[in-house]
Amino acid sequence: AQTVTQSQPEMSVQEAETVTLSCTYDTSESDYYLFWYKQPPSRQMILVIRQEAYKQQNATENRFSVNFQKAAKSFSLKISDSQLGDAAMYFCAYDGNAGNMLTFGGGTRLMVKP
Amino acid sequence: GAVVSQHPSWVICKSGTSVKIECRSLDFQATTMFWYRQFPKQSLMLMATSNEGSKATYEQGVEKDKFLINHASLTLSTLTVTSAHPEDSSFYICSARGVFPQETQYFGPGTRLLVL
Repeated sequence: AQTVTQSQPEMSVQEAETVTLSCTYDTSESDYYLFWYKQPPSRQMILVIRQEAYKQQNATENRFSVNFQKAAKSFSLKISDSQLGDAAMYFCAYDGNAGNMLTFGGGTRLMVKP
Repeated sequence: GAVVSQHPSWVICKSGTSVKIECRSLDFQATTMFWYRQFPKQSLMLMATSNEGSKATYEQGVEKDKFLINHASLTLSTLTVTSAHPEDSSFYICSARGVFPQETQYFGPGTRLLVL
């Protein structure tokens, strides 16, 4: 079974600074997808970024980028120029071939200091 | 695009009653919908997966007679909590996945259920 681990329960960053959230996963599959979702206080899950495992190029979405290291099974999220609205829970998720369901990490609570 | 709605957003009910939660994909056809439960300060726990026109697949430990799921169309899935009890109080979230990108789930805003 796949597992997803987020080793940082909480992180804080100063507004306008850069922060990196860690995620590691365990799988025996070669084709899969990885996601970062954001859950603000409203509790609406928002897709931040996704990465296809067959692509070597790291995905980027404006201020959000990932460092995807397939061999190390690592998928970190970098948030540049942090804004107050970035404060939220961030969940890393894995979607493989078996069952096509998401496996979530435990989440990282990000606080942004003004 | 890829908007998922959920109704109601809040529901308070008496113990023993049944509650129905609707999940709709507004601008795409959802081949698969998922139902999750989330306890405070915890991650999402998958309850069941439903495909349009077929029976839902429940995760281990989830009572299918307690949590009835119907996926009658490509845009609508419903979760009915039958004979609700206080321990069923939780935050329930649905998600939907369409044809493209097939591997991406889009989430509804969630439903807070409080059983008195």
